[in-house]
Amino acid sequence: SSELTQDPAVSVALGQTVRITCQGDSLRRYSVSWYQQKPGQAPVLVIYGKNSRASGIPDRFSGSSSGDTASLTITGAQAEDEADYHCNSRDSGGDHQIFGGGTKVTVL
Amino acid sequence: QVHLQESGPGLVKPSGTLSLTCSVSGDSIENPNFYWAWIRQPPGKGLEWIGSIYYSGTTYYNLSLKSRVTMSVDTSKNHFSLEMTSVTAADTAVYYCARRHSSGAWIFWFDPWGQGTLVTVSS
Repeated sequence: SSELTQDPAVSVALGQTVRITCQGDSLRRYSVSWYQQKPGQAPVLVIYGKNSRASGIPDRFSGSSSGDTASLTITGAQAEDEADYHCNSRDSGGDHQIFGGGTKVTVL
Repeated sequence: QVHLQESGPGLVKPSGTLSLTCSVSGDSIENPNFYWAWIRQPPGKGLEWIGSIYYSGTTYYNLSLKSRVTMSVDTSKNHFSLEMTSVTAADTAVYYCARRHSSGAWIFWFDPWGQGTLVTVSS
């Protein structure tokens, strides 16, 4: 089966831009979805498809993909964006789903 | 608004069976547009997909768990369930249920998620 690789942690200054990446062979074929998870809470869908924002998600969140790497960009990061972000896609080996290990975003 | 709620024992003994139910409100579990999924998260770790089920009973399981996992759906109660046998401490995790969307064969996402339930495997 495939794997999705994410950097464990990134930091961003308040109001600046941060890009979170997710790498894996399955992304060459299948689209990625992104989830935000705050401590003690369930994940919440942020981005799906090429660059579709889930309902209620601010437009400072955007997604992109090229080759085997997908990215989630937060433009003008806010304090409330501090969270773990998880990527997900279908496994290239079959009708299964895989998740990346998650990236902890700290807003300084 | 769709709402999912997990329920089941919070403590399971080693070698025992973990049983959880996800109750769905605001949508029919027979909605042909969706699969229904279980996902877990060990403490301090990332998310792991356990499996997905269609209202007809079609299932897909994580290959690493397939020998121990069974998912089922009860359309009369609008809920779906997870059973995991021969549990060990490694199965201690927050278990989430979620609705799986798809657009064609290439785009998939989970929304919404239940609040999650912590299951601890310990004697």
